Amino acid sequence: AQKVTQAQTEISVVEKEDVTLDCVYETRDTTYYLFWYKQPPSGELVFLIRRNSFDEQNEISGRYSWNFQKSTSSFNFTITASQVVDSAVYFCALGITNAGKSTFGDGTTLTVKP
Amino acid sequence: DAGVIQSPRHEVTEMGQEVTLRCKPISGHNSLFWYRQTMMRGLELLIYFNNNVPIDDSGMPEDRFSAKMPNASFSTLKIQPSEPRDSAVYFCASRPHEPGELFFGEGSRLTVL
Repeated sequence: AQKVTQAQTEISVVEKEDVTLDCVYETRDTTYYLFWYKQPPSGELVFLIRRNSFDEQNEISGRYSWNFQKSTSSFNFTITASQVVDSAVYFCALGITNAGKSTFGDGTTLTVKP
Repeated sequence: DAGVIQSPRHEVTEMGQEVTLRCKPISGHNSLFWYRQTMMRGLELLIYFNNNVPIDDSGMPEDRFSAKMPNASFSTLKIQPSEPRDSAVYFCASRPHEPGELFFGEGSRLTVL
């Protein structure tokens, strides 16, 4: 069975601080995909990134970066120089080929204070 | 390009009434998912379809819930009869291919009094 754990339920930071959201996953499959989604206060869920299990290269997109480490089964998300607009619930998810559905973590609520 | 379209955005109804939520996936996407989100239970997958065929409905709470996908561009989630514990935000999502990312609609907020 697949499992995604986001141990941090809530995080609060002050604007311009860096913040890392943790994601730990469990699967016995060797081929899988990891995702991050953002849910701002407006409510919609927005896809941020997808990584496959064969690509451990870290990725950077502006102030966002993702660190994928198979050795620790982690796919952590870092926001550099956080902004108030980053306040949202962030979900990590795991997808298995031919399993159809993704397994979502419980989400981390990030609050960035001005 | 149009995203996933859900209707209604908000629905307030009384216990015992029938509720129908609608979803139009992104054209060309071959998978469709219905999720429910509550504070207590988080994001729950109710059912998903591949090429209009229901694949996994193990998340459907009980027989009061049913979902259909009569064609590639339309799906419904029906609750009959509705109960206050069904109050939640219901999301529809579509996916272009497996195991791609999900594209979510804006959600339908259901309140059952």
